[in-house]
Amino acid sequence: EVQLVESGGGLVQPGGSLRLSCAASGFTFSNYEMNWVRQAPGKGLEWVSYISSSGGGDTIYYADSLKGRFTISRDNAKNSLYLQMHSLRAEDTAIYYCARLGGYIYGVNWGYHDYWGQGTLVTVSS
Amino acid sequence: DIQMTQSPSTLSASVGDRVTITCRASQSISSWLAWYQQRPGKAPKVLIYEASRLEAAVPSRFSGSGSGTEFTLTISSLQPEDSATYYCHQYGAPPTFGQGTKLEIK
Repeated sequence: EVQLVESGGGLVQPGGSLRLSCAASGFTFSNYEMNWVRQAPGKGLEWVSYISSSGGGDTIYYADSLKGRFTISRDNAKNSLYLQMHSLRAEDTAIYYCARLGGYIYGVNWGYHDYWGQGTLVTVSS
Repeated sequence: DIQMTQSPSTLSASVGDRVTITCRASQSISSWLAWYQQRPGKAPKVLIYEASRLEAAVPSRFSGSGSGTEFTLTISSLQPEDSATYYCHQYGAPPTFGQGTKLEIK
């Protein structure tokens, strides 16, 4: 059974940092591209970041709105995905989901989210 | 980035009704569109991918159609458990989502 389990969320002050983790199991993690997607309270879904199956530096992307504050990474040996967040703002308050990408075709599409974790809540507030 | 516009934003229908949700893309995305269902307090769940392909184990009352810039999600006979918010998602470019359609059962 495919499982994605996020952790690391919590309450952080504006300007602070947080590192989210996503533990994957039930599939060959190193074969799949992954996304982070967030959802502010009562709002819709927003793509945050993408990383290729290998995690190479030339195949990592971020939403423009993040302006270099977030860093995605993965450790295929540990079946884990990470999101390092710096300079956090109130508007970063959201549930953060990791999601596996299915149907990915290199150079054609970015894949759809065939499995999602349960999410981890990040609250940025003083 | 490609903008996705869903309509309607909210929808109220009765059990057994046929329901249609529309998603329009600001430019052509071929068939790289997925639909998700999200129940309150839960993670989204994929229903349809590549515009019309039904994800495994999803009931056959759900169907998707369209290509280019116009897409629809149809529920042929609404069930009580279909009360949820539905999102479209284009994955032909940096991904973007529609704003969601909240479906309520009368």
